[in-house]
Amino acid sequence: EAQVTQNPRYLITVTGKKLTVTCSQNMNHEYMSWYRQDPGLGLRQIYYSMNVEVTDKGDVPEGYKVSRKEKRNFPLILESPSPNQTSLYFCASSPGLAGEWNEQFFGPGTRLTVL
Amino acid sequence: AQSVAQPEDQVNVAEGNPLTVKCTYSVSGNPYLFWYVQYPNRGLQFLLKYITGDNLVKGSYGFEAEFNKSQTSFHLKKPSALVSDSALYFCAVRSDRGSTLGRLYFGRGTQLTVWP
Repeated sequence: EAQVTQNPRYLITVTGKKLTVTCSQNMNHEYMSWYRQDPGLGLRQIYYSMNVEVTDKGDVPEGYKVSRKEKRNFPLILESPSPNQTSLYFCASSPGLAGEWNEQFFGPGTRLTVL
Repeated sequence: AQSVAQPEDQVNVAEGNPLTVKCTYSVSGNPYLFWYVQYPNRGLQFLLKYITGDNLVKGSYGFEAEFNKSQTSFHLKKPSALVSDSALYFCAVRSDRGSTLGRLYFGRGTQLTVWP
């Protein structure tokens, strides 16, 4: 089944404890992206990647890191999480280098709480 | 700067009535426009997109959207609403040029409630 998977689905952690949210897609898509969803703010793009070893900042990159060492995986790293990073996170992928005319396929989401 | 506005946080409509969820956008270059739907505790699902061509695009679940370049709008419509259409709807836009080529901009979302 074609899909985007994220792990973990739920995470409660404490301020300053490094964490990684994994994202993997099995559709051979070039483009991948991370978003956070907050009430009243919609989805905001954190980082995106047009291909392996190519990443770029979105609207809200502060406090996050990403890497794209292989096509299928695009992990989101929070080196020192803070309470304002409590949010619902979505990973997405789409075909094409920029995927500009292609719809994105979204993962199920990761609900992160930072205490 | 690129942006999307969904002027209504909530839209309420009776089952069987037509529905409209509004979206306006601002983008440099030509827009690629999308509608996504989010059901409770789920990820986003693609509904439809406008890239070029016919201003009226048809999508999943009987939804359609009309692109209006002069009004920079891309309103989502359905002739007859169903209770199962109740969900959170997001409009999104990308530009076809410039340094923001890989960026996707979402609106804040509109909660659609269809009552029986």
